[in-house]
Amino acid sequence: QVQLVESGGGVVQPGGSLRLSCAASGITFISYAMHWVRQAPGKGLEWVAFIRNDGSNKYYADSVKGRFTISRDNSINTLYLHMTSLTTEDTAVYYCAKVGWANSWYTHFDYWGQGSLVTVSS
Amino acid sequence: QSALTQPASVSGSPGQSIAISCTGTSSDVGGYNHVSWYQQHPGKAPKLMIYDVSNRPSGVSNRFSGSKSGNTASLTISGLQAEDEADYYCSSYRGSTTLVLFGGGTKLTVL
Repeated sequence: QVQLVESGGGVVQPGGSLRLSCAASGITFISYAMHWVRQAPGKGLEWVAFIRNDGSNKYYADSVKGRFTISRDNSINTLYLHMTSLTTEDTAVYYCAKVGWANSWYTHFDYWGQGSLVTVSS
Repeated sequence: QSALTQPASVSGSPGQSIAISCTGTSSDVGGYNHVSWYQQHPGKAPKLMIYDVSNRPSGVSNRFSGSKSGNTASLTISGLQAEDEADYYCSSYRGSTTLVLFGGGTKLTVL
């Protein structure tokens, strides 16, 4: 079965950095674009970043552009989100999400990870 | 990038039907048939309920249905059950570098 397992969350001070990982299993990882979506405490879902299946295209929400970097290692079926210059507004549960159709950029997310909590606090 | 517009809350009694609207623009909801709906229970990851406007993934009850007219999509839940109480989010493809838009979420209360 498909599994997406995030790791790397934790508490970080404002201005700090953190890297999230998302390990995928049960899928042909290289066939699917992947995204990160976050949810601040008590708030709604916010799209964060996209990476094409082969890593050749990457897009970011304006709120994280220039500070966050999405990447992937298809040899070990793992997605990453490197976050820098973190602020309290980045405090959220971060989900990795798989697109529903192979070779599409986005139509829907058919599988989500369990979420990784990032808390930015001094 | 503005979020899609959903009502903050809806409610219904067991057995009744409810609808949740999701309003966007011609650049997202109205321009593409890539509207999806997600159910989220407290502390859990979102779950796909409807994709491409009106398609149900395997395993999702046929009490859930989706539709779209112009720039507004809708999720209808018929025969409400207690376990349907959750937050519901719509999402749409947006043909730009902002690929994905979400609605603000609707809290469904089953009375």
